[in-house]
Amino acid sequence: DQQVKQNSPSLSVQEGRISILNCDYTNSMFDYFLWYKKYPAEGPTFLISISSIKDKNEDGRFTVFLNKSAKHLSLHIVPSQPGDSAVYFCAASGRNTGNQFYFGTGTSLTVIP
Amino acid sequence: DGGITQSPKYLFRKEGQNVTLSCEQNLNHDAMYWYRQDPGQGLRLIYYSQIVNDFQKGDIAEGYSVSREKKESFPLTVTSAQKNPTAFYLCASSARDRGYQPQHFGDGTRLSIL
Repeated sequence: DQQVKQNSPSLSVQEGRISILNCDYTNSMFDYFLWYKKYPAEGPTFLISISSIKDKNEDGRFTVFLNKSAKHLSLHIVPSQPGDSAVYFCAASGRNTGNQFYFGTGTSLTVIP
Repeated sequence: DGGITQSPKYLFRKEGQNVTLSCEQNLNHDAMYWYRQDPGQGLRLIYYSQIVNDFQKGDIAEGYSVSREKKESFPLTVTSAQKNPTAFYLCASSARDRGYQPQHFGDGTRLSIL
């Protein structure tokens, strides 16, 4: 049973435009959410996180939004750059998950120059 | 320069053979994890350890074994009982003493069957 879902396997965006990656979760006990970026044949790199006491967290070009009532989070990248082309994973954890993290299946972002 | 080191980067296994994947971290993290990544399936948890000499099964532990004799090391053995071992294996670690902390990942080991 997939507790964290990324329903868009791929996304293409023009350089300079906004990229919006989406993630849905089912476990209402999740209270910590993360986004990772992954290049082929490398491990994921942590990008940005948000706890459930917030609905927005910003770090440079990256902003994560959390909608708890909809069990939905999104990652906005503005402006998108060709170097942002990678696979993006969302992940979630919570007090009832025994320090486990649950990952989505990833969205492959291509930023077109 | 702190981080997680996985070795080897590529590994080949013959049928019926056990192989061990190495994971070492110098981040002084208590928790360590092993994930398996298959195409289109994201990361699935194999085993995790929150403290030395203790570990728990994840969602897909069958055919795998681990040990945690030292804080910095968490090797994963893929046994002959794992019938479909071809995958990309990722090791991660995280701190536990300051509330929620992100996991840090190694660069992975790609295991293939000869």
